[in-house]
Amino acid sequence: SAVISQKPSRDICQRGTSLTIQCQVDSQVTMMFWYRQQPGQSLTLIATANQGSEATYESGFVIDKFPISRPNLTFSTLTVSNMSPEDSSIYLCSVVRGGKNIQYFGAGTRLSVL
Amino acid sequence: AQSVAQPEDQVNVAEGNPLTVKCTYSVSGNPYLFWYVQYPNRGLQFLLKYITGDNLVKGSYGFEAEFNKSQTSFHLKKPSALVSDSALYFCAVRSSPSGNTPLVFGKGTRLSVIA
Repeated sequence: SAVISQKPSRDICQRGTSLTIQCQVDSQVTMMFWYRQQPGQSLTLIATANQGSEATYESGFVIDKFPISRPNLTFSTLTVSNMSPEDSSIYLCSVVRGGKNIQYFGAGTRLSVL
Repeated sequence: AQSVAQPEDQVNVAEGNPLTVKCTYSVSGNPYLFWYVQYPNRGLQFLLKYITGDNLVKGSYGFEAEFNKSQTSFHLKKPSALVSDSALYFCAVRSSPSGNTPLVFGKGTRLSVIA
């Protein structure tokens, strides 16, 4: 399995501010995925981040609100910009590693916006 | 487009009894199906997957799942439930065997095993 470290594990933020979430993987991976899990809801894909190119965003998510960086094959960041209480969610980083094409997840960042 | 339905928000079962968590899917082409478990304040943990071959797939912690193509289902099962199995379970699908295609998740089913 992959070791995926996310920071911070949780945060409480004020409306209008921004938070950058970091995802570090213990080995090189091609794709990194960012998901959002709203309270009591399923996981929704925000974007797919490929190293060296712009992230691909899903419908309903835009780069201005959720800018993503992917500077190398083991690291990515997701920024939640100009936050509102509706952004309160768990944000999860995910990668596929190994020949079995299993998707592994970080422990998530629990964000509360006041 | 692909989708997953988990018709039950909550499943309650007594310890020692068999458990089933239901999942149906919709995908064009061959389905690649997965089950994950989420414990409180932790990320998702992979349980098992179906790619091809045997319809009965065995996974971690004594869980298994049965792929039924005609019913487009992939129900998760365990012969004897433990209190420690209490968690949130997600079924997921993708339409490609490639790991570059992200998973689409169901809404989750909360399993409660009662001692």
